[in-house]
Amino acid sequence: DAGVIQSPRHEVTEMGQEVTLRCKPISGHNSLFWYRQTMMRGLELLIYFNNNVPIDDSGMPEDRFSAKMPNASFSTLKIQPSEPRDSAVYFCASRGAGEKLFFGSGTQLSVL
Amino acid sequence: GENVEQHPSTLSVQEGDSAVIKCTYSDSASNYFPWYKQELGKGPQLIIDIRSNVGEKKDQRIAVTLNKTAKHFSLHITETQPEDSAVYFCAAPSWGSGNTGKLIFGQGTTLQVKP
Repeated sequence: DAGVIQSPRHEVTEMGQEVTLRCKPISGHNSLFWYRQTMMRGLELLIYFNNNVPIDDSGMPEDRFSAKMPNASFSTLKIQPSEPRDSAVYFCASRGAGEKLFFGSGTQLSVL
Repeated sequence: GENVEQHPSTLSVQEGDSAVIKCTYSDSASNYFPWYKQELGKGPQLIIDIRSNVGEKKDQRIAVTLNKTAKHFSLHITETQPEDSAVYFCAAPSWGSGNTGKLIFGQGTTLQVKP
């Protein structure tokens, strides 16, 4: 199994630009989570999906952030427009029938 | 919702010594407590977990203990090795609608094992 696959690994962009982060969950997993990691706030849950449906987006910081899951094997997290304070590592994670959560390698986002 | 507190934030031990990291949680309905290890440049990896119907679980040099009454759980690493150096996170679920719990993470503990 390839695990959770995220792309890109690194993204450097300028303030105001649109950023799209991508995630492919583990095949057969029906829950997908987007987390953001910063030194100040640690690992924060942004949004999670169950069977492709958004269940809880209370962690999404602003309307500039949006997430979609068009099918069971793909999800995107979009920031438009991006700001320097969005700089962080963004993780995607997936979960199957049990409780175990599996993380991807993350996307390191730098907004200049 | 769930609130998870983790201590200490940093821990330095000599190789061969034991390391203990503690977490408290607030939601008495929480029933699953995982621990993750995060190495530099990588995502968190599950190393051990425990369900609320047991008080202790061991896997080689790693053990987790749970005290449901006091709402705290701990990670114990014995005979520490330099490769144990990493950031460790505890977590507990916060249950929303539809019985689809989301994991809330502690702030993390940076463990340094000195050779």
